[in-house]
Amino acid sequence: EAGVAQSPRYKIIEKRQSVAFWCNPISGHATLYWYQQILGQGPKLLIQFQNNGVVDDSQLPKDRFSAERLKGVDSTLKIQPAKLEDSAVYLCASSVSGANVLTFGAGSRLTVL
Amino acid sequence: AQSVTQPDIHITVSEGASLELRCNYSYGATPYLFWYVQSPGQGLQLLLKYFSGDTLVQGIKGFEAEFKRSQSSFNLRKPSVHWSDAAEYFCAVDLGGGADGLTFGKGTHLIIQP
Repeated sequence: EAGVAQSPRYKIIEKRQSVAFWCNPISGHATLYWYQQILGQGPKLLIQFQNNGVVDDSQLPKDRFSAERLKGVDSTLKIQPAKLEDSAVYLCASSVSGANVLTFGAGSRLTVL
Repeated sequence: AQSVTQPDIHITVSEGASLELRCNYSYGATPYLFWYVQSPGQGLQLLLKYFSGDTLVQGIKGFEAEFKRSQSSFNLRKPSVHWSDAAEYFCAVDLGGGADGLTFGKGTHLIIQP
Protein backbone atom coordinates (compact mmCIF):
# COMPACT_ATOMS: atom_id res chain seq x y z
CA GLU A 1 0.00 0.00 0.00
CA ALA A 2 1.19 3.51 -0.71
CA GLY A 3 2.45 5.43 2.29
CA VAL A 4 1.73 8.94 3.50
CA ALA A 5 2.92 11.41 0.87
CA GLN A 6 4.24 14.85 1.79
CA SER A 7 5.59 17.75 -0.23
CA PRO A 8 7.77 19.62 -0.50
CA ARG A 9 10.53 17.71 1.28
CA TYR A 10 12.57 20.85 1.87
CA LYS A 11 11.73 24.54 1.94
CA ILE A 12 13.84 27.57 2.78
CA ILE A 13 12.14 30.93 3.27
CA GLU A 14 12.81 34.32 4.81
CA LYS A 15 11.03 35.28 8.01
CA ARG A 16 7.64 36.91 7.47
CA GLN A 17 7.14 34.95 4.23
CA SER A 18 4.47 32.30 3.88
CA VAL A 19 4.75 28.58 3.18
CA ALA A 20 2.37 25.69 2.60
CA PHE A 21 2.84 21.97 3.08
CA TRP A 22 0.73 19.26 1.52
CA CYS A 23 -0.11 15.80 2.78
CA ASN A 24 -1.91 12.88 1.17
CA PRO A 25 -2.72 10.17 3.72
CA ILE A 26 -3.06 6.46 3.19
CA SER A 27 -6.25 5.65 1.32
CA GLY A 28 -9.10 4.96 3.70
CA HIS A 29 -7.47 6.56 6.72
CA ALA A 30 -10.05 8.88 8.24
CA THR A 31 -7.78 10.48 10.81
CA LEU A 32 -4.98 12.84 9.79
CA TYR A 33 -2.43 14.54 12.02
CA TRP A 34 0.13 17.31 11.60
CA TYR A 35 3.11 17.28 13.93
CA GLN A 36 5.94 19.78 14.36
CA GLN A 37 9.36 18.35 15.18
CA ILE A 38 11.98 20.89 16.23
CA LEU A 39 15.57 19.74 16.08
CA GLY A 40 16.46 17.70 19.16
CA GLN A 41 12.87 17.29 20.30
CA GLY A 42 10.07 14.82 19.88
CA PRO A 43 7.18 15.55 17.54
CA LYS A 44 4.48 17.83 18.91
CA LEU A 45 0.89 17.49 17.74
CA LEU A 46 -0.37 20.61 15.97
CA ILE A 47 -3.74 19.49 14.69
CA GLN A 48 -5.83 16.34 14.31
CA PHE A 49 -8.57 15.86 11.74
CA GLN A 50 -11.30 13.25 11.65
CA ASN A 51 -12.44 13.20 8.04
CA ASN A 52 -12.79 16.92 7.29
CA GLY A 53 -13.50 18.02 10.86
CA VAL A 54 -11.00 19.26 13.42
CA VAL A 55 -10.71 17.05 16.52
CA ASP A 56 -7.89 18.85 18.31
CA ASP A 57 -6.06 22.05 17.41
CA SER A 58 -5.22 23.16 20.92
CA GLN A 59 -1.48 23.41 20.20
CA LEU A 60 -1.78 25.10 16.81
CA PRO A 61 -0.54 28.74 16.88
CA LYS A 62 -3.64 30.04 15.21
CA ASP A 63 -2.31 33.55 14.71
CA ARG A 64 0.05 32.24 12.04
CA PHE A 65 -0.73 28.57 11.37
CA SER A 66 -3.76 27.23 9.56
CA ALA A 67 -4.69 23.80 8.25
CA GLU A 68 -7.51 22.40 6.22
CA ARG A 69 -8.76 19.07 4.97
CA LEU A 70 -11.66 20.18 2.85
CA LYS A 71 -12.66 16.89 1.21
CA GLY A 72 -11.58 14.63 4.04
CA VAL A 73 -8.63 13.28 2.10
CA ASP A 74 -5.51 15.38 1.56
CA SER A 75 -4.56 18.28 3.79
CA THR A 76 -2.63 21.53 3.65
CA LEU A 77 -0.76 23.21 6.50
CA LYS A 78 0.06 26.89 6.04
CA ILE A 79 2.29 29.24 7.96
CA GLN A 80 1.90 32.99 7.44
CA PRO A 81 3.96 34.90 8.40
CA ALA A 82 6.80 32.56 9.31
CA LYS A 83 9.09 33.17 12.27
CA LEU A 84 12.59 31.90 12.91
CA GLU A 85 11.28 29.51 15.57
CA ASP A 86 9.08 27.80 12.97
CA SER A 87 12.16 26.08 11.57
CA ALA A 88 11.34 22.42 12.02
CA VAL A 89 10.26 19.25 10.27
CA TYR A 90 6.52 19.09 9.70
CA LEU A 91 5.28 15.53 9.84
CA CYS A 92 1.97 14.31 8.56
CA ALA A 93 0.50 11.06 9.83
CA SER A 94 -2.71 9.15 9.27
CA SER A 95 -4.58 6.32 10.92
CA VAL A 96 -7.70 4.28 10.59
CA SER A 97 -10.35 5.96 12.69
CA GLY A 98 -9.94 5.12 16.37
CA ALA A 99 -7.09 2.67 15.79
CA ASN A 100 -4.39 5.11 16.95
CA VAL A 101 -1.63 3.31 15.10
CA LEU A 102 -0.16 6.18 13.15
CA THR A 103 1.69 5.93 9.85
CA PHE A 104 4.00 8.86 9.26
CA GLY A 105 5.18 10.52 6.11
CA ALA A 106 8.84 11.43 5.55
CA GLY A 107 8.23 15.02 6.60
CA SER A 108 8.76 18.50 5.19
CA ARG A 109 11.83 20.30 6.51
CA LEU A 110 11.36 24.06 6.86
CA THR A 111 14.23 26.48 7.37
CA VAL A 112 13.32 30.08 8.16
CA LEU A 113 16.17 32.58 7.67
CA ALA B 1 0.58 17.34 33.82
CA GLN B 2 0.82 14.23 31.72
CA SER B 3 4.29 13.68 30.27
CA VAL B 4 6.63 11.21 28.67
CA THR B 5 10.25 11.10 29.81
CA GLN B 6 13.17 9.54 28.02
CA PRO B 7 16.02 10.17 30.45
CA ASP B 8 18.85 9.31 28.06
CA ILE B 9 19.53 11.80 25.28
CA HIS B 10 22.34 9.71 23.78
CA ILE B 11 23.30 6.08 24.22
CA THR B 12 26.35 4.38 22.72
CA VAL B 13 26.37 0.62 22.38
CA SER B 14 28.84 -1.74 20.74
CA GLU B 15 27.57 -3.79 17.84
CA GLY B 16 26.36 -7.14 19.12
CA ALA B 17 25.77 -5.87 22.64
CA SER B 18 22.38 -5.68 24.32
CA LEU B 19 20.33 -2.49 24.44
CA GLU B 20 17.80 -0.98 26.80
CA LEU B 21 16.18 2.42 26.21
CA ARG B 22 14.19 3.89 29.06
CA CYS B 23 10.77 5.49 28.97
CA ASN B 24 8.64 6.71 31.85
CA TYR B 25 5.22 8.31 31.71
CA SER B 26 3.29 10.40 34.11
CA TYR B 27 -0.42 9.72 33.96
CA GLY B 28 -3.14 8.57 36.34
CA ALA B 29 -4.29 5.62 34.28
CA THR B 30 -2.49 3.23 31.94
CA PRO B 31 -2.18 4.86 28.54
CA TYR B 32 -1.59 3.20 25.24
CA LEU B 33 2.20 3.00 24.77
CA PHE B 34 4.34 3.04 21.66
CA TRP B 35 7.93 3.01 20.50
CA TYR B 36 8.87 4.59 17.18
CA VAL B 37 12.20 4.74 15.37
CA GLN B 38 13.34 7.56 13.10
CA SER B 39 16.29 7.20 10.75
CA PRO B 40 17.93 10.34 9.35
CA GLY B 41 15.74 12.11 6.82
CA GLN B 42 12.89 9.69 7.28
CA GLY B 43 9.57 9.64 9.02
CA LEU B 44 8.79 7.67 12.14
CA GLN B 45 8.30 3.92 11.93
CA LEU B 46 6.32 2.01 14.54
CA LEU B 47 8.39 -0.61 16.36
CA LEU B 48 5.77 -1.90 18.78
CA LYS B 49 2.77 -0.96 20.88
CA TYR B 50 1.08 -1.89 24.13
CA PHE B 51 -2.64 -1.55 24.68
CA SER B 52 -3.40 -4.20 27.32
CA GLY B 53 -2.76 -7.83 28.22
CA ASP B 54 0.69 -9.40 28.22
CA THR B 55 3.12 -6.81 29.54
CA LEU B 56 5.98 -8.03 27.33
CA VAL B 57 5.36 -7.06 23.72
CA GLN B 58 7.32 -8.07 20.67
CA GLY B 59 7.93 -5.73 17.79
CA ILE B 60 9.69 -5.55 14.47
CA LYS B 61 13.44 -5.78 13.92
CA GLY B 62 13.95 -7.94 17.01
CA PHE B 63 12.83 -5.29 19.52
CA GLU B 64 10.69 -5.93 22.57
CA ALA B 65 9.35 -3.74 25.36
CA GLU B 66 8.06 -4.42 28.83
CA PHE B 67 5.30 -2.45 30.51
CA LYS B 68 5.75 -2.11 34.26
CA ARG B 69 2.76 -0.47 35.89
CA SER B 70 4.44 -0.09 39.29
CA GLN B 71 7.26 1.90 37.72
CA SER B 72 5.19 3.70 35.05
CA SER B 73 7.77 2.49 32.57
CA PHE B 74 7.85 1.03 29.09
CA ASN B 75 11.48 0.25 28.34
CA LEU B 76 12.63 -0.91 24.93
CA ARG B 77 15.13 -3.76 24.64
CA LYS B 78 17.08 -5.65 22.03
CA PRO B 79 19.41 -8.54 22.86
CA SER B 80 21.96 -7.83 20.13
CA VAL B 81 22.16 -4.57 18.20
CA HIS B 82 23.23 -4.17 14.59
CA TRP B 83 24.89 -1.14 13.00
CA SER B 84 21.63 -0.49 11.14
CA ASP B 85 19.87 0.14 14.48
CA ALA B 86 21.61 3.51 14.79
CA ALA B 87 18.74 6.01 14.81
CA GLU B 88 16.55 8.18 17.02
CA TYR B 89 14.06 6.31 19.19
CA PHE B 90 10.87 7.87 20.51
CA CYS B 91 8.54 6.65 23.19
CA ALA B 92 4.97 7.87 22.83
CA VAL B 93 1.70 7.62 24.68
CA ASP B 94 -1.93 8.01 23.74
CA LEU B 95 -3.71 9.43 26.72
CA GLY B 96 -7.12 9.47 25.10
CA GLY B 97 -7.85 5.78 24.83
CA GLY B 98 -7.43 5.71 21.09
CA ALA B 99 -9.09 8.96 20.15
CA ASP B 100 -6.22 11.38 20.56
CA GLY B 101 -2.94 12.06 18.86
CA LEU B 102 0.25 10.81 20.44
CA THR B 103 2.42 12.61 22.98
CA PHE B 104 6.09 11.93 22.34
CA GLY B 105 9.19 11.94 24.51
CA LYS B 106 12.21 13.94 23.42
CA GLY B 107 13.91 10.89 21.99
CA THR B 108 17.08 8.89 22.56
CA HIS B 109 19.83 8.99 19.97
CA LEU B 110 21.39 5.55 19.59
CA ILE B 111 24.99 5.32 18.41
CA ILE B 112 26.44 1.94 17.46
CA GLN B 113 30.17 1.43 17.88
CA PRO B 114 31.86 -1.12 15.60
